[in-house]
Amino acid sequence: NAGVTQTPKFRVLKTGQSMTLLCAQDMNHEYMYWYRQDPGMGLRLIHYSVGEGTTAKGEVPDGYNVSRLKKQNFLLGLESAAPSQTSVYFCASSSPERGSYNEQFFGPGTRLTVL
Amino acid sequence: GQNIDQPTEMTATEGAIVQINCTYQTSGFNGLFWYQQHAGEAPTFLSYNVLDGLEEKGRFSSFLSRSKGYSYLLLKELQMKDSASYLCAVIDSNYQLIWGAGTKLIIKP
Repeated sequence: NAGVTQTPKFRVLKTGQSMTLLCAQDMNHEYMYWYRQDPGMGLRLIHYSVGEGTTAKGEVPDGYNVSRLKKQNFLLGLESAAPSQTSVYFCASSSPERGSYNEQFFGPGTRLTVL
Repeated sequence: GQNIDQPTEMTATEGAIVQINCTYQTSGFNGLFWYQQHAGEAPTFLSYNVLDGLEEKGRFSSFLSRSKGYSYLLLKELQMKDSASYLCAVIDSNYQLIWGAGTKLIIKP
């Protein structure tokens, strides 16, 4: 079991470039999330998905798009990167099964720098 | 607005006990999590409280008082590997997780 994996681990972009971050989970979880984490701030939810083919906006969705075409994958896209999007991005998944805490399991993170 | 407060940083000595507090003001309450995050790594689940009282799990315990909007994480017999950030997160009425900024715990020998 790999758990939650993220690709790439590091990336440097120039302002205006685009990229896609890939998240994959092998735990058959229904829910998946994309967060960003900045120094001195809590994790902030960008977008989330409660099932294949569904997505919803979180707290800070502007400048990002997502897709959940397969249950195990959740993609985060930046169409035109800006320096304000320099951050560490975490993907997480969870399963609202009866009797579980529905705790979130996190990937290792992607460190993105936008110049 | 929704708010979770934790101390920014705490220092403790190896072998000692430390209590990390978390106060919250959220629209509704459906549970509270504590996560541990080592520098440069992903957060990992520590504990979950939904009812008032103390939950003990080895060296770590978590306490909740819903009427006071208050929780704490108690770490006993501190080890150097406990140096990390500890994140408090509350599930609100919409079943969204609201995260605190985290408490950086520094353990000194």
